[in-house]
Amino acid sequence: NAGVTQTPKFRILKIGQSMTLQCTQDMNHNYMYWYRQDPGMGLKLIYYSVGAGITDKGEVPNGYNVSRSTTEDFPLRLELAAPSQTSVYFCASSYTYPGPLASYNQPQHFGDGTRLSIL
Amino acid sequence: TQLLEQSPQFLSIQEGENLTVYCNSSSVFSSLQWYRQEPGEGPVLLVTVVTGGEVKKLKRLTFQFGDARKDSSLHITAAQPGDTGLYLCAGAHSNTGNQFYFGTGTSLTVIP
Repeated sequence: NAGVTQTPKFRILKIGQSMTLQCTQDMNHNYMYWYRQDPGMGLKLIYYSVGAGITDKGEVPNGYNVSRSTTEDFPLRLELAAPSQTSVYFCASSYTYPGPLASYNQPQHFGDGTRLSIL
Repeated sequence: TQLLEQSPQFLSIQEGENLTVYCNSSSVFSSLQWYRQEPGEGPVLLVTVVTGGEVKKLKRLTFQFGDARKDSSLHITAAQPGDTGLYLCAGAHSNTGNQFYFGTGTSLTVIP
């Protein structure tokens, strides 16, 4: 199994350009997440999805959009790139049990990241 | 924002020494996870703790969840160069169990 695959690994954008960061997982996980990691700031949740057709905002959603048309794929879109969006982006997935066990979340499996620079 | 603070932010020690990393919050978490991240890669889960006072051991690593479930610690005994990496804690709430809040990270360097 490949796990969580992110493409591209590196990208340089000009201010105002748009792009889509791709993420796919082959573990049949119901939950998927997008994080950004800035130096010394830990990981911040951008958007997450609990299943196909359902998405929710995380801590820092402004400037981003997501969709979840299938269980496997969770692309992240930047419509108008800004220098503040220069970061390393990580996609993750997990299987979380519904109901009373929801508080005991299974491990998140991360991709290797996309390093994005906006100039 | 549920803030998780880790300390120290940076730690450089000699091989064979012991160390402790702390993860503190003013919020109560239903579960807390520790991850290790190496350069150029995504974080990899080390352990999940869910019960106040719980202690888990993973070889030379000992993890503890505070009694009030607001804090956690990671203790490494006889550190090895292979322990070098960024250690991250992440907490989840039962009422927002979909979201994990990550700490700021502790960058550990073990010098041979």
